[in-house]
Amino acid sequence: SQQGEEDPQALSIQEGENATMNCSYKTSINNLQWYRQNSGRGLVHLILIRSNEREKHSGRLRVTLDTSKKSSSLLITASRAADTASYFCATEFRMDSSYKLIFGSGTRLLVRP
Amino acid sequence: DTGVSQNPRHKITKRGQNVTFRCDPISEHNRLYWYRQTLGQGPEFLTYFQNEAQLEKSRLLSDRFSAERPKGSFSTLEIQRTEQGDSAMYLCASSSRDRGRYEQYFGPGTRLTVT
Repeated sequence: SQQGEEDPQALSIQEGENATMNCSYKTSINNLQWYRQNSGRGLVHLILIRSNEREKHSGRLRVTLDTSKKSSSLLITASRAADTASYFCATEFRMDSSYKLIFGSGTRLLVRP
Repeated sequence: DTGVSQNPRHKITKRGQNVTFRCDPISEHNRLYWYRQTLGQGPEFLTYFQNEAQLEKSRLLSDRFSAERPKGSFSTLEIQRTEQGDSAMYLCASSSRDRGRYEQYFGPGTRLTVT
C-alpha cells in the first residue's frame, strides 16, 4: 500500500500561476523526495529534503518539510505548460537499510497555456 | 551518465506465459531497485539489490517473480505463469549513496500487458 497521501489528486491552473501540492506520510524518515513523471521523460527526480531541513529551493521549486506534522509541500512558481505532469512525493524510511522509496499516489498537474 | 535503460519497452503476452525484463543501471551505481506502477498510482517497491546481493523483497513479489543481478551489473526480472493482474509498468532504478547522493535514477520502464 502507498505510504504517502498527496493532495490534491488533480490540479488545473493557468500558465504563470503557482501550483502547490501537499504530501503526508506516516513514519519517521531520512529524507523526502519529489519526482515528476510524464509520458515523454518517465520518472525524474526533482528535489530532496532531509529530515533535519525545513525548506529547500531549486529554481522555480520550493519544498517545505514539517516533521512534527509528517507533511511536505511542493510549490512550483510561475508555472509553464511544460510543467504539466504527475508529481509524486517519495519517502525514505529512517530504519530501512535498503533505502527504498515509498511513493504517494501523486498529484496530476495540468498547466493551461 | 548514460542513464538507466530497460528492455523491452513494451511486452504483450498471453496469460500463463513467462516473461523476462532487463535493466541496465548507471554503470557506477551499486544499488538497484525494481518497482511496479499501475495506472493512476505511484510506483510500488518490489525488490532491492546492493551489488549482486538481493537484500530485500516486497510481499508484493509472489513466488512467480524472481529477480537476479549477476556480477552486480545488469538485472533481470522474470515473471512466471503471468496473470492479468501482472499488467503494469515495471520500473527499474539505480542509485549510489556515495558523496551523499540519495536520489534514485529511473529507467523508462517496461509496460507489460497480459491478455
